[in-house]
Amino acid sequence: DGGITQSPKYLFRKEGQNVTLSCEQNLNHDAMYWYRQDPGQGLRLIYYSQIVNDFQKGDIAEGYSVSREKKESFPLTVTSAQKNPTAFYLCASSIGGTHNEQYFGPGTRLTVT
Amino acid sequence: GENVEQHPSTLSVQEGDSAVIKCTYSDSASNYFPWYKQELGKGPQLIIDIRSNVGEKKDQRIAVTLNKTAKHFSLHITETQPEDSAVYFCAALRGDSSYKLIFGSGTRLLVRP
Repeated sequence: DGGITQSPKYLFRKEGQNVTLSCEQNLNHDAMYWYRQDPGQGLRLIYYSQIVNDFQKGDIAEGYSVSREKKESFPLTVTSAQKNPTAFYLCASSIGGTHNEQYFGPGTRLTVT
Repeated sequence: GENVEQHPSTLSVQEGDSAVIKCTYSDSASNYFPWYKQELGKGPQLIIDIRSNVGEKKDQRIAVTLNKTAKHFSLHITETQPEDSAVYFCAALRGDSSYKLIFGSGTRLLVRP
């Protein structure tokens, strides 16, 4: 069963704690992405990775960090420096290069109190 | 910076009627325009996309049209069904990247049975 998995579906943390969101894909895609979605808004790009061991900042990277040590995995860490971390986080992947189609995982809803 | 505007924000139609959602983009170098359907609590699903070398693309009950001169594109859903009810997002690929999508703010479509 091919696809993108994100875990957990719901995550709760106390303010001041770092938290890592998991994203795994078995589509053999080179590129992976992290987006943030706030209520009633579109998706905003946090980080993306074109290939293993490489990643670039998106439009709202402050307070977040990523790693891409394996092709299948692209974890996102929400640090305590992120001022408004409560949101719905979506991971996506694409073949890469000129193949622009991005496919999304089911998302993780993070609540920080 | 580049942006994508999407209208309307909400749309209510009777089952069997057509629905049209419109987007305009600012980056004249954009050449790829996907549409996503997002059901409550789930990740967005790619439903159709179009590239700048064509003006229209159809897939069963859905179609997308693109007017590059006016920098706008539209999603058309015919013979709507209750299961079409969801939030629909348009996006445009930034002209300077094969990876960065800019999303509209979404349209909540309600199909009344």
